[in-house]
Amino acid sequence: KAGVTQTPRYLIKTRGQQVTLSCSPISGHRSVSWYQQTPGQGLQFLFEYFSETQRNKGNFPGRFSGRQFSNSRSEMNVSTLELGDSALYLCASRQSGGKIYEQYFGPGTRLTVT
Amino acid sequence: DQQVKQNSPSLSVQEGRISILNCDYTNSMFDYFLWYKKYPAEGPTFLISISSIKDKNEDGRFTVFLNKSAKHLSLHIVPSQPGDSAVYFCAAGDDKIIFGKGTRLHILP
Repeated sequence: KAGVTQTPRYLIKTRGQQVTLSCSPISGHRSVSWYQQTPGQGLQFLFEYFSETQRNKGNFPGRFSGRQFSNSRSEMNVSTLELGDSALYLCASRQSGGKIYEQYFGPGTRLTVT
Repeated sequence: DQQVKQNSPSLSVQEGRISILNCDYTNSMFDYFLWYKKYPAEGPTFLISISSIKDKNEDGRFTVFLNKSAKHLSLHIVPSQPGDSAVYFCAAGDDKIIFGKGTRLHILP
């Protein structure tokens, strides 16, 4: 079974631009969660999607948004990028009904904002 | 306000010895506690968990201890091996998971 894939793996953007990151979960997994990893803050939960609906949300500003498609693929969008948005963005998928920590992470997208 | 804290950014341990990684939390309502391991250029992988109703869980070389009164958990790795060198994240949660900042473990030959 293929793992969680994220595209692109690396991205450089300029302050003020917007960016869209993509995540394809493991086949059969309907839940996708997004996390931001920075050296100063560690791993922080952004949001979780299940069956195209946002099920849970972390404490991030409205510039961070996401969506999930009928095939469970998910996208995350960050508008009006700030320097502090530079981070590794990770997505994780899990089976419906699985324990929330039985999630499988992708390799992440490294976003650099200049 | 950090609900899950890993106060040691890094730790070096001799191969074959015991590695002890520590974690503190503030929310007594957490249902479960977890440890994840992360290698560079890879996503974190789930290592071991413990429910809030238990005080110890063991899986091979890895044991997690939970002290609810102290709001403290620890991960013991015995014996430590070179492949254990990675960043370890402590996490806790109920309907969502809250991670600590991670501890980088170096296993010295």
